[in-house]
Amino acid sequence: QVQLQQSGPGLVKPSQTLSLTCVIYGDSVSSKSVAWNWIRQSPSRGLEWLGRTYYRSWWSNDYAESVKSRIIINADPSKNQFSLQLNSVTPEDTAVYYCARVSPAFDYWGQGTLVTVSS
Amino acid sequence: DIVMTQSPDSLAVSLGERATINCKSSQSLLYSSNNKDHLAWYQQKPGHPPKLLIDWASTRESGVPDRFSGSGSGTDFTLTISSLQAEDVAVYYCQQYYSTPYTFGQGTKLEIK
Repeated sequence: QVQLQQSGPGLVKPSQTLSLTCVIYGDSVSSKSVAWNWIRQSPSRGLEWLGRTYYRSWWSNDYAESVKSRIIINADPSKNQFSLQLNSVTPEDTAVYYCARVSPAFDYWGQGTLVTVSS
Repeated sequence: DIVMTQSPDSLAVSLGERATINCKSSQSLLYSSNNKDHLAWYQQKPGHPPKLLIDWASTRESGVPDRFSGSGSGTDFTLTISSLQAEDVAVYYCQQYYSTPYTFGQGTKLEIK
């Protein structure tokens, strides 16, 4: 059974960096048949896919255009986890953030982290 | 980007009655290489992440009750709950995985009448 466990701060100041980690149990971040994603949810934007990382013969990333200039998703095979970094946050980045596996739909999700951007 | 539009935004149905939620995509989700529609349905209850109910437009996930069914192809899809139970009160989303960026519908809130 796959489980995704998220961690990270719930409060980030404007202009700073939002950082979240998702630890994977029951699967491998290096699996060649799935991808590992970050999704956020807010009342104003609904469910918004932010990006993914995946391994085939090498690591690849895809990002949503709306955050492409500010986002980094990294995988750490030694810890079987992947992370989200979102730079230069504003109050509009306030949302519940989820990590999720796609295979090919989003079949496993983390528990969600409410991140509030406020001074 | 592929735009997903659900209707209605909210729906009230009596227990034991049928509930129908529609989803329309701005382009076809039928992938020619596998002849499958890249469309999923999710159920979300307050305080929880979305739960995958159906993928490939009509394939129920393991453990999902058979009162849930998905149909449609191309750009028009439907989620049907054949006999509404109290535990089905939730928000339902469709989502396309035909191409990135993956996109979701705005959600349909299902309540008991």
